[in-house]
Amino acid sequence: QVQLVESGGGVVQPGRSLRLSCAASGFTFRNHAMHWVRQAPGKGLEWVAVISYDASNKYYTDSVKGRFTISRDNSKNTLYLQMNSLRAEDTAMYYCAREEWTKVYFDYWGQGTLVTVSS
Amino acid sequence: QSALAQPASVSGSPGQSITISCTGTSSDVGGYNYVSWYQQHPGKAPKLMIYDVSNRPSGVSNRFSGSKSGNTASLTISGLQAEDEADYYCSSYTSSSTRVFGIGTKVTVL
Repeated sequence: QVQLVESGGGVVQPGRSLRLSCAASGFTFRNHAMHWVRQAPGKGLEWVAVISYDASNKYYTDSVKGRFTISRDNSKNTLYLQMNSLRAEDTAMYYCAREEWTKVYFDYWGQGTLVTVSS
Repeated sequence: QSALAQPASVSGSPGQSITISCTGTSSDVGGYNYVSWYQQHPGKAPKLMIYDVSNRPSGVSNRFSGSKSGNTASLTISGLQAEDEADYYCSSYTSSSTRVFGIGTKVTVL
């Protein structure tokens, strides 16, 4: 069955960096675009970034452009989110989500990893 | 990249029908038939309920239905049940190839 397992979250000081990982299994990872979606405590969902199946295309929400980088390693079935210059407002649960082949919706989600930016 | 507009809360009694609206612009909701809806229970990951405006994934109850008119999409839950109490989010593809979520609607079963 499809599984997405995020890791790498934790407490980090403002201005520092963190790298999140999302290990995928149960499907052909290289065939699917992948997303990061975050949710601040008590708030709604916010789309963060997407990477195409072959990493040729990447898009970001405005608030993370220039600070976050989405990447993938199809040989390791793993999605990444490199987060630099972290701010308090980046504090959130970060979910990875799969996009169905040639579709535009998130059909599977991980359970999330919590990032807390605090001094 | 403004969030799509949704009512903060909607409530109904068991057995009733409720509708949640999701309003965007011609650059997102109105421009594409790529609206999806997600249900999220407290402490859980979101779950896909509707995709491409009105399609239900396998395993989702037919009490859930979706539609769209212009820049506004809607999710209807008929025969409301206690287990439907959750937060609901719409999402749309955008003209910038990004995605955008609605602000979320808390559904309460009275």
